[in-house]
Amino acid sequence: QQPVQSPQAVILREGEDAVINCSSSKALYSVHWYRQKHGEAPVFLMILLKGGEQKGHDKISASFNEKKQQSSLYLTASQLSYSGTYFCGTENDDTNAGKSTFGDGTTLTVKP
Amino acid sequence: DGGITQSPKYLFRKEGQNVTLSCEQNLNHDAMYWYRQDPGQGLRLIYYSQIVNDFQKGDIAEGYSVSREKKESFPLTVTSAQKNPTAFYLCATEGGYGYTFGSGTRLTVV
Repeated sequence: QQPVQSPQAVILREGEDAVINCSSSKALYSVHWYRQKHGEAPVFLMILLKGGEQKGHDKISASFNEKKQQSSLYLTASQLSYSGTYFCGTENDDTNAGKSTFGDGTTLTVKP
Repeated sequence: DGGITQSPKYLFRKEGQNVTLSCEQNLNHDAMYWYRQDPGQGLRLIYYSQIVNDFQKGDIAEGYSVSREKKESFPLTVTSAQKNPTAFYLCATEGGYGYTFGSGTRLTVV
């Protein structure tokens, strides 16, 4: 079951914050986040596993809410380099091991 | 440096032709995947393999075939049965801590 990401797109000024959500209709085992620049491959940001709640490095962090079957990615004090499309990938409890499904992405544009 | 090498970067296919996309990894990861990405859309799973000589169909396997004869290699063949193959193809591995993606192959039907 494909996770649903929201919003589809967001435009920010440098220094502003953003939140991207990833929701599943089934119980989540893991959520992982990626950023993709135009024409390039997605780059891994972080992974959250069932039982863990929050993770982060620098000004990008994420939370995992098992009850809501949802993960959120937080980008604080955004920089121009944060621009790109953010994808979440999810593994559900009943998914074949190692098979993730990706959302359609959230396009983030950071302007000077 | 460990990583994934996809080739070619750009590929043009004529109608009715089979083409093969290469994916090689030196990360020593067991699991390998092929995804298709259409403009403005997410990643859709074509095939995946968790061990040598074994692979499973993903959500959009029709018109594609794969092999996994070596741990390092997972080539994807786009057959003539795939009616709309123009897309960006990404190979990935998974080693227990998120996916690592190759740089992709952009396939265009001419």
